[in-house]
Amino acid sequence: QVQLVESGGGVVQPGRSLRLSCAASGFTFSSYVMHWVRQAPGGGLEWVAVISPDETNKYYADSVKGRFTISRDNSKNTLYLQMNSLRAEDTAVYYCVRDRSSWYYIFDYWGQGALVTVSS
Amino acid sequence: QSALTQPASVSGSPGQSITISCTGTKSDVGGYTLVSWFQQHPGKAPKLVIYEVTKRPSGVSNRFSGSKSGNTASLTISGLQAEDEAAYYCCSYTGRDVVFGGGTKVTVL
Repeated sequence: QVQLVESGGGVVQPGRSLRLSCAASGFTFSSYVMHWVRQAPGGGLEWVAVISPDETNKYYADSVKGRFTISRDNSKNTLYLQMNSLRAEDTAVYYCVRDRSSWYYIFDYWGQGALVTVSS
Repeated sequence: QSALTQPASVSGSPGQSITISCTGTKSDVGGYTLVSWFQQHPGKAPKLVIYEVTKRPSGVSNRFSGSKSGNTASLTISGLQAEDEAAYYCCSYTGRDVVFGGGTKVTVL
């Protein structure tokens, strides 16, 4: 069965960096577009970033552009999100999400989420 | 782009049907047949229940159905059950990325 397991969350000071990882299993990871979606405490969902199967195409939400970098290692079936210059408003649960549609943003499987708290 | 508009809450008694609306613009909901709906129980990850306006993923109850008219999409839950009590989010492709609704809390009375 499809499994997505995030790790790397925690408490970090404003301006610092953090890297999230997402280990994928149960499907051919290298064939799928993958996303990061976040949810602030008590809030709604916000799309963050997307990456193509071969890593050649990457797109970001305006709120994180220039600060966050999405990447993947298909040999390790792992998705990453490097988050730099973190701000209080980046505090959220970050979900690793599979796209069943290739670039039409249909999110069919979600990880359990990794909580990132940005606070001094 | 602005978030899609959903009612904050909807309630119903067991066995009843309820409908949640999701209003956007011609640039998102009205422009594509790419509206999805997610169910989220407290402390859990969202779960896809409807995609491409009307399609149900394998394993999702046929009590969930979707539709769209103009710039408004709708999710209907028929034969409401206690386990349906959760938050529901819509989202739509925008041609560039995706936009979510603010979420609707469904309460089973």
